[in-house]
Amino acid sequence: NAGVTQTPKFQVLKTGQSMTLQCAQDMNHNSMYWYRQDPGMGLRLIYYSASEGTTDKGEVPNGYNVSRLNKREFSLRLESAAPSQTSVYFCASTLTVGDEQFFGPGTRLTVL
Amino acid sequence: KNEVEQSPQNLTAQEGEFITINCSYSVGISALHWLQQHPGGGIVSLFMLSSGKKKHGRLIATINIQEKHSSLHITASHPRDSAVYICAVSTNTGNQFYFGTGTSLTVIP
Repeated sequence: NAGVTQTPKFQVLKTGQSMTLQCAQDMNHNSMYWYRQDPGMGLRLIYYSASEGTTDKGEVPNGYNVSRLNKREFSLRLESAAPSQTSVYFCASTLTVGDEQFFGPGTRLTVL
Repeated sequence: KNEVEQSPQNLTAQEGEFITINCSYSVGISALHWLQQHPGGGIVSLFMLSSGKKKHGRLIATINIQEKHSSLHITASHPRDSAVYICAVSTNTGNQFYFGTGTSLTVIP
């Protein structure tokens, strides 16, 4: 089992460009999450999907959109990237909401 | 306002020392989680607990629900324990996770 996978691992964007971060899990988990991690701050929840077909905003959703494509896949889209979105992005999944989390390896995004 | 506070922020220990990392939270929770993040960036879950105490090898996690406080202990610390330890809570009012800013532990041989 691969667990939680994320692509790409690294990305550099120019301000205003768009991109989609991909996340997939093979553990048959129901809930999936997108976080960002910034220096000196804890992980912050961007969006989550409690179950297939549902998505909800987390603590810092502005500037992002998500799609729960199916039970395995949960993507994060930046429509018009801004330097404030420079961060490390982690995807995670849980069997049910609030359960033990399994994290992907992260995507390091730089917006110039 | 930080829902989860950890202390200390940084910790240096000699190999073999007993280590304690503390976590306090201010929201109602369904569970508290301890995570480990290695220098390469990967994050793994160490413990999920909602009461009492759990032990895994040299790691022990305790929680006091009334005091809204948890501790992570490492016995006989080893250089391979060097990592950032993160406390997180899953709330009982919604589908939210809140994270502390982490404790950076360095164990010197």
